[in-house]
This record gives sequence, structure tokens and C-alpha cells, in this order.
Amino acid sequence: QSALTQPASVSGSPGQSITISCTGTSSDVGGYSYVSWYQQHPGKAPKLMIYDVNNRPSGVPDRFSGSKSGNTASLTISGLQTEDEADYYCSSYTSSSTWVFGGGTKLTVL
Amino acid sequence: QVQLVESGGNVVQPGRSLRLSCAASGLTFNKYAMHWVRQAPGKGLEWVAVISYDGSKKYYADSVRGRFTISRDNSKNTLYLQMNSLRAEDTAIFYCARDGSEVASGSLDYWGQGTLVTVSS
Repeated sequence: QSALTQPASVSGSPGQSITISCTGTSSDVGGYSYVSWYQQHPGKAPKLMIYDVNNRPSGVPDRFSGSKSGNTASLTISGLQTEDEADYYCSSYTSSSTWVFGGGTKLTVL
Repeated sequence: QVQLVESGGNVVQPGRSLRLSCAASGLTFNKYAMHWVRQAPGKGLEWVAVISYDGSKKYYADSVRGRFTISRDNSKNTLYLQMNSLRAEDTAIFYCARDGSEVASGSLDYWGQGTLVTVSS
């Protein structure tokens, strides 16, 4: 159950777009459409932003979108806002009927 | 509104046991799978365990299998995590979370505030 691979940090200016990648294997990300993305602000519980690769829960702005190609999933945030500054984690179902998270990506909005 | 409230976190010595609880309200508890996720201080999220809506299926991370047991009491709308043989590396905030998907796809749409477990002599 190795953690999914995410960049440690990404940054962008307000109004710009950024993409966070999440790389796994054919036994997790590549094998299932069960990839989720979570936002976590310091001292807070995680918040679901994307589920099942590209679905947004109600209340999540449409600036947030998800996609997947092969063993890599991606989260794109367009029109960056200062409140988007947070840690972001991907998660995937695995062939062992378990789940695995990515190591997390710190987004800085400059 | 949906509320998940964890309790039971504490400071415990290595090798000892602890039971966490997660009380749910505002949702039809017995319809959803439930997960435990933990986060060591300053570190990322780590998935711990999942239990199906009726308690018939349980799966664990390799790091806790054989030491931790997930269970639920649907009559009390409560999720549990029994943790035995605790180690220093189990020190973390433990979150319970609802799997909002009908197929338990791991879309964790509601989370508790977390409870801190510290394993130290």
C-alpha cells in the first residue's frame, strides 16, 4: 500500500490555473474510477472536493475539476483565489479493497 | 445537519489499548460505509480502515491489520475503532468519515473534527 505520488508543493497567482497530479499504479488509480480529492486548511478536517475522478459535491465551486489518464489523476483549480491556499490530497480505491492517500500537496496562492 | 463526533483519544503507553468512538447524527447511519483516517502531527492523511453499512465487511491498512478492529453499532449510530498493541508511530489525529457513495467508492463527504491519540511512555 504505497502512498500515491503528489508534488510536495505548487503555487500560482490569483486568477491563474494550477494542476496537481496524483500518480499511482494499475492496481489503484489506473484500475478504478474511484479517485477523490480533499482540501485541508490548517487545523481543520479535510473537505471533499472531487469524487469518482471528476464529480463535484454540491457546494464546491466549478473552478475545481478532476480528470484521469492512465495511472495519473489530476486536480485543476482555475481562477485561483486566496482561500484556495491549503493542502490537497488525492485518494484512490485499490485492488485490495482498501484505500490509499497521496502524500499531499501544499498550494500557495502568491 | 450531519455531525460526526469522535471521542476516546488520550495519551497511552506503548503496547496498551484504546477504543475510539464516533457518534453520528443527522444522517441515516445504517445506509453508509464508514472509514477511519488518521494524520500524524505535521504529516499527511493515512487511510486506516473501512466497515460496510451493515458491518459485514471490514478492511484495514497493512500498518494496522491485526492490531486494530473497526466495528459499528447501527442501533446507537456509533462507529468504533479498537486499537491494541499501540506503537509510537500510531500517534495521530484520528478522523471518522462517512462514505457518501452508494457503492462505497471512498467519497468521504462528512468528517468529524478528529480525536488525538498520543502513544508515549
